[in-house]
Amino acid sequence: AQKITQTQPGMFVQEKEAVTLDCTYDTSDPSYGLFWYKQPSSGEMIFLIYQGSYDQQNATEGRYSLNFQKARKSANLVISASQLGDSAMYFCAMREGDWSGNKLVFGAGTILRVKS
Amino acid sequence: ETGVTQTPRHLVMGMTNKKSLKCEQHLGHNAMYWYKQSAKKPLELMFVYSLEERVENNSVPSRFSPECPNSSHLFLHLHTLQPEDSALYLCASSLSPVEVNTEAFFGQGTRLTVV
Repeated sequence: AQKITQTQPGMFVQEKEAVTLDCTYDTSDPSYGLFWYKQPSSGEMIFLIYQGSYDQQNATEGRYSLNFQKARKSANLVISASQLGDSAMYFCAMREGDWSGNKLVFGAGTILRVKS
Repeated sequence: ETGVTQTPRHLVMGMTNKKSLKCEQHLGHNAMYWYKQSAKKPLELMFVYSLEERVENNSVPSRFSPECPNSSHLFLHLHTLQPEDSALYLCASSLSPVEVNTEAFFGQGTRLTVV
């Protein structure tokens, strides 16, 4: 079964507007971490934000926030005030708490295009 | 140098060649990884090294051979590859091999083309 599902292959957003990128996950482990990464055309994966399964509050990092709905097993990324430089591929990833080789498992990604 | 550095950035090789990809991290991390990113597929974890010991081998063909001589360096030795092995190969490292909240830091990848 897919551990991480990103249902939006591609998204468009107007510059300065907010956009939500969807991510759902599947785990039976009570301890896990959820991550979002950005991959520009250069190829490097850039860490954006982290949410722990026991965290009471949604994570925020600057213009990035994570809408964490534990019961629904969703961890959507919200980018506020989009900028042209936000155009990239975005990956949701999960690390589970059991010792499973320290795997960071990724979703298929969402391509985001910011329009001027 | 800081972060995770991968060399070369681009590599074109024939199916009978032998080449190596190199990854170096100066972050003091204890775990290092190789990922394969093919077009239209999720990132695939290939190998995990924790404290220089291989702890994960995700059913990767033997034509890919990893080597971790120390905690700062990771290699991926390639031989008799197939055209379907063409992909972006990403190296990553993380501070802890066990903590669930440990993010991975990635290099810029090596774009490999097998002809």
